[in-house]
Amino acid sequence: DAKTTQPTSMDCAEGRAANLPCNHSTISGNEYVYWYRQIHSQGPQYIIHGLKNNETNEMASLIITEDRKSSTLILPHATLRDTAVYYCIVRGYGQNFVFGPGTRLSVLP
Amino acid sequence: GAVVSQHPSWVICKSGTSVKIECRSLDFQATTMFWYRQFPKQSLMLMATSNEGSKATYEQGVEKDKFLINHASLTLSTLTVTSAHPEDSSFYICSADLAGGGTDTQYFGPGTRLTVL
Repeated sequence: DAKTTQPTSMDCAEGRAANLPCNHSTISGNEYVYWYRQIHSQGPQYIIHGLKNNETNEMASLIITEDRKSSTLILPHATLRDTAVYYCIVRGYGQNFVFGPGTRLSVLP
Repeated sequence: GAVVSQHPSWVICKSGTSVKIECRSLDFQATTMFWYRQFPKQSLMLMATSNEGSKATYEQGVEKDKFLINHASLTLSTLTVTSAHPEDSSFYICSADLAGGGTDTQYFGPGTRLTVL
């Protein structure tokens, strides 16, 4: 079973920041938070991952709370091409990735 | 970097035939690759873990004699669906494991859509 809970769906206006929350209250000290997204009929695309510090790359920012029980993926300027299902996954080194239902993000024009 | 390809991207076959799907890591070597299956409106489900040079590890409920996996090199894993039936129609996705920075990350291929008539 997935160790995370995410909202089923979210809408975001094009050009605005998309903030996708994820709860992982049972996360262990050695488990990382990963984010992937899946655009319709494609394989999942890696976005970002982190352990406890906030992370940023060319795609997104990952904000992890101090107690590590939740995190937020931020797409700073959402475009229509960011419409996808976003998966938040918690796992330790060498463990399987378990995909839950994710959050269906719709970026609206 | 970290690109994974799959071939074919889609295939239609008759019931009872076998279909082979290839998964390649293009710019890195992967000791471990994974095969997932995704039915419409559902999430990805892990089928098996493929280790280079050894037998694959199958998840519970996945028939190893039906879904043959070969990981002959550090950049290639193949999944063969033997004696395919309509219920095997699905979206098959592979991933390759890349270690670094204290952890490992899976990079996914674009998927192969299998339709069995």
